[in-house]
Amino acid sequence: QQQVKQSPQSLIVQKGGISIINCAYENTAFDYFPWYQQFPGKGPALLIAIRPDVSEKKEGRFTISFNKSAKQFSLHIMDSQPGDSATYFCAAAYGGATNKLIFGTGTLLAVQP
Amino acid sequence: EPEVTQTPSHQVTQMGQEVILRCVPISNHLYFYWYRQILGQKVEFLVSFYNNEISEKSEIFDDQFSVERPDGSNFTLKIRSTKLEDSAMYFCASSELGDTVYGYTFGSGTRLTVV
Repeated sequence: QQQVKQSPQSLIVQKGGISIINCAYENTAFDYFPWYQQFPGKGPALLIAIRPDVSEKKEGRFTISFNKSAKQFSLHIMDSQPGDSATYFCAAAYGGATNKLIFGTGTLLAVQP
Repeated sequence: EPEVTQTPSHQVTQMGQEVILRCVPISNHLYFYWYRQILGQKVEFLVSFYNNEISEKSEIFDDQFSVERPDGSNFTLKIRSTKLEDSAMYFCASSELGDTVYGYTFGSGTRLTVV
């Protein structure tokens, strides 16, 4: 119940295309869903996050779509650029003093020029 | 932009040896965390720390692990007797408040190799 399932494992997109990464969860107590971007040799960096009371959040070229009834959320990267090539992790957390993050398994995105 | 600093960036140790991984969280942050990432796998929560005590720990964080904030700036993870399966990237993170709305800031990690 604590798992967050992420797909695909890897993704190749042409420059200018749309990258879509999907995640699903079981625990309805989760109330915070961030996406992290990780470049080789670096720690995860917060990209964008959403709470379950909204269905979509957009920041620049990055959009989270959230489907509470299906317990799914996805990251859309519009106009994908080679600089977006990285590993993307979805995560989930629920309230409380610790706020530990439960990470998905990651998606390796390669944007070809 | 403030950073979480981790040292060393890479540590090689013999099986059975003790290692201490060091982190300097962002100065006004109050919540501290350790996560690990085995090569090619997902990032896993190890422990959270607030007000000089452990708030929560995972099943991975057994008696071989301990955390400490020895002074006002450092936050350390100690592995008492390392095993081969402890080989992983270890990430320290900190957050200003215990509300994930503000997000974590992760360090760049320490790659621990146990031989």
